[in-house]
Amino acid sequence: DAGITQSPRHKVTETGTPVTLRCHQTENHRYMYWYRQDPGHGLRLIHYSYGVKDTDKGEVSDGYSVSRSKTEDFLLTLESATSSQTSVYFCAISDSGFEQYFGPGTRLTVT
Amino acid sequence: RKEVEQDPGPFNVPEGATVAFNCTYSNSASQSFFWYRQDCRKEPKLLMSVYSSGNEDGRFTAQLNRASQYISLLIRDSKLSDSATYLCVVNGWEGGKLIFGQGTELSVKP
Repeated sequence: DAGITQSPRHKVTETGTPVTLRCHQTENHRYMYWYRQDPGHGLRLIHYSYGVKDTDKGEVSDGYSVSRSKTEDFLLTLESATSSQTSVYFCAISDSGFEQYFGPGTRLTVT
Repeated sequence: RKEVEQDPGPFNVPEGATVAFNCTYSNSASQSFFWYRQDCRKEPKLLMSVYSSGNEDGRFTAQLNRASQYISLLIRDSKLSDSATYLCVVNGWEGGKLIFGQGTELSVKP
């Protein structure tokens, strides 16, 4: 399995609070991605990175920001969490830019 | 029209059966194609890439028809451990996002 971890694995937070999720890889892959998975919607891309400090928006980026200051870390921040951001968040990495490998996921509940 | 569409599930099959999943995609410029497997409450895991010439990995065979924009996955001699959701996935460009189908649930029964 690809060396990719996510933290925290579970989090419950209140509406309006900021939340940061961390994705860490030991594979030195260039590309990193954040997805969310919700019933009825499948997996949707939030943001992605194609190198240190190089990021771009995905299809559901509103309310989220990202940062990548090191190759191995990709942070996803919810500026002010809302109940609609309750979801399972997956990080993925890719060396080739085609095949992607997923982390174990973070279950976030916003109350 | 969804970018990636899959057969609706669930598929309930007995052990040893052969089962086929189909998938169509809308963007003719798509470059790479995959099948992922996702177990309940787990991350998607790459099952196999799909090549134009078709490819096989043990009991699994994947086919791609670019002209029809169609992808298939065949599982022979189904095992209980094959029970999962199978995701058809398309990638448009290097470094780009994966576009996921909704998934087809497979349940293999004894």
